[in-house]
Amino acid sequence: QQPVQSPQAVILREGEDAVINCSSSKALYSVHWYRQKHGEAPVFLMILLKGGEQKGHEKISASFNEKKQQSSLYLTASQLSYSGTYFCGTENTDKIIFGKGTRLHILP
Amino acid sequence: DTAVSQTPKYLVTQMGNDKSIKCEQNLGHDTMYWYKQDSKKFLKIMFSYNNKELIINETVPNRFSPKSPDKAHLNLHINSLELGDSAVYFCASSQGQLAQFFGPGTRLTVL
Repeated sequence: QQPVQSPQAVILREGEDAVINCSSSKALYSVHWYRQKHGEAPVFLMILLKGGEQKGHEKISASFNEKKQQSSLYLTASQLSYSGTYFCGTENTDKIIFGKGTRLHILP
Repeated sequence: DTAVSQTPKYLVTQMGNDKSIKCEQNLGHDTMYWYKQDSKKFLKIMFSYNNKELIINETVPNRFSPKSPDKAHLNLHINSLELGDSAVYFCASSQGQLAQFFGPGTRLTVL
């Protein structure tokens, strides 16, 4: 079952914050987050494991609420380099099912 | 230096032809994958190999055949190419279920 991401697209000015949500109808054991810039390959950001932990990567952090079966990615004081499509992926029997992505565009 | 490499980067071919894409990783990972990303950017897993053994085979036409000669290589052969096969194909590798590292992608265009 494919996780659902929201919003589908976000436009921000540099310095603003954004939240991208990822939810699943199935129990989650882990959530992966990746960023893909236009014309490039997806790049791993972080994995969140069962336990509700919050992880951070520069000014990008994420939370995982296994009871609500959802994860959120937080981008603080966004930079131009944060532009791209963000994918969450949920683990399902030896494979990751990716959401449809959230397109983030940062304006100067 | 490159972690996951793919060749070729671009592939333009006629309908009905057969083509191959090669992938190599030098990260020492035990698992490799093929993904297809269509024009809507949906990233869909096709196959996964763990130590040369096929462990995931999604609903993919049997015109697609992966081959893993060793755990550092995973190739994809496609027979009788169709227009709908046009997409970007990504190879990726991981150690178990940890972070996946993607290759640069192969943009396949079928005319």
